[in-house]
Amino acid sequence: DAMVIQNPRYQVTQFGKPVTLSCSQTLNHNVMYWYQQKSSQAPKLLFHYYDKDFNNEADTPDNFQSRRPNTSFCFLDIRSPGLGDAAMYLCATSRDLTGRNIQYFGAGTRLSVL
Amino acid sequence: AQTVTQSQPEMSVQEAETVTLSCTYDTSESDYYLFWYKQPPSRQMILVIRQEAYKQQNATENRFSVNFQKAAKSFSLKISDSQLGDAAMYFCAYNPGANSKLTFGKGITLSVRP
Repeated sequence: DAMVIQNPRYQVTQFGKPVTLSCSQTLNHNVMYWYQQKSSQAPKLLFHYYDKDFNNEADTPDNFQSRRPNTSFCFLDIRSPGLGDAAMYLCATSRDLTGRNIQYFGAGTRLSVL
Repeated sequence: AQTVTQSQPEMSVQEAETVTLSCTYDTSESDYYLFWYKQPPSRQMILVIRQEAYKQQNATENRFSVNFQKAAKSFSLKISDSQLGDAAMYFCAYNPGANSKLTFGKGITLSVRP
């Protein structure tokens, strides 16, 4: 059974047109993360939520925002996508913020920007 | 800042043979966790194995085992009896003990020859 579900799997948007990516989880984990992964590169953490507390990475562009309306769902909003934002976006969850935690990943949403 | 280095971008192994994937890391922390994650093409990233830095014994999970050399800051993954389903990108990753922010290496693409 899928535990971290990302929709859609593929998303095409136009340059500058806002887009929202969705993530849901059935694990009841407190923490949800968003990563950006460009082709053949390591995932790069954009931000995470611990419950309702939002934590932005220092180098995450302002163009990227996130919402977590409840425990199960988290959204990634890209306000004005540029060509450089084309990437795989990974959602992950963990029980809490301690280092021993395993992160559980979704299958990702591949975003194309035309 | 912590860094994780995977210097080999690609490796290939014959089915049923053994392969070792290398990883080194740099940290000044004494409490941390190391992970190997597997990312098959177009599928979600999953945990292969986890090592706690305070444990001297190398972690094993069925055909997967690690060689953890704490003094050398080395954390290699050995895959025994390689199977076609092992073909994937493998990421070495690090967590400090105090938080769950993963630092990934650049990954290695493993192909398995039938």
